[in-house]
Amino acid sequence: GDSVTQMEGPVTLSEEAFLTINCTYTATGYPSLFWYVQYPGEGLQLLLKATKADDKGSNKGFEATYRKETTSFHLEKGSVQVSDSAVYFCALSKGGGGNKLTFGTGTQLKVEL
Amino acid sequence: NAGVTQTPKFQVLKTGQSMTLQCAQDMNHEYMSWYRQDPGMGLRLIHYSVGAGITDQGEVPNGYNVSRSTTEDFPLRLLSAAPSQTSVYFCASRRTSGNQETQYFGPGTRLLVL
Repeated sequence: GDSVTQMEGPVTLSEEAFLTINCTYTATGYPSLFWYVQYPGEGLQLLLKATKADDKGSNKGFEATYRKETTSFHLEKGSVQVSDSAVYFCALSKGGGGNKLTFGTGTQLKVEL
Repeated sequence: NAGVTQTPKFQVLKTGQSMTLQCAQDMNHEYMSWYRQDPGMGLRLIHYSVGAGITDQGEVPNGYNVSRSTTEDFPLRLLSAAPSQTSVYFCASRRTSGNQETQYFGPGTRLLVL
């Protein structure tokens, strides 16, 4: 079946450091790919998405590129802030069957001054 | 426009008790779903619905029932709570056109079963 694998956390960075959170997926067909963010005590919010190969999703300084050849969708940000501290989830969705989301296990990011 | 709302925010149950977790959305979304979030396991789909009167099982449906009598509401029922159901529960909704649509999540219900 479909699956998403994320790097384990927690990831601890200093403010203004470069961030990469790795995500790879296994799926048949052509899934859409998503990054969701969960701030402490809140529900998940969509951060960015990409719907076909070579698409780049971007939002709030975060970027991820849909790489079909490596089945990856790594999340990057050039300069993180303390306010970026959260749990980040990679997910995929395919058409049909209710368009269910399959999530990775999440990566906790802690940004320190 | 309140988005997706969930009640209660926190609940403690004893083993064997029953309860209903409420979920409502005011965006006229056809698709609604319930997930549970457990440490180290991400979110797993419990049940989902593609419209009023239509429900289906997700990845981990055992011990949970759902119904969808209106577009707005999608309650999740635990008939006989077990400690293994201690988790954080999220409801989500989206439009059903294609697989590009964003899912909107509620703030979650934290459930502790003793």
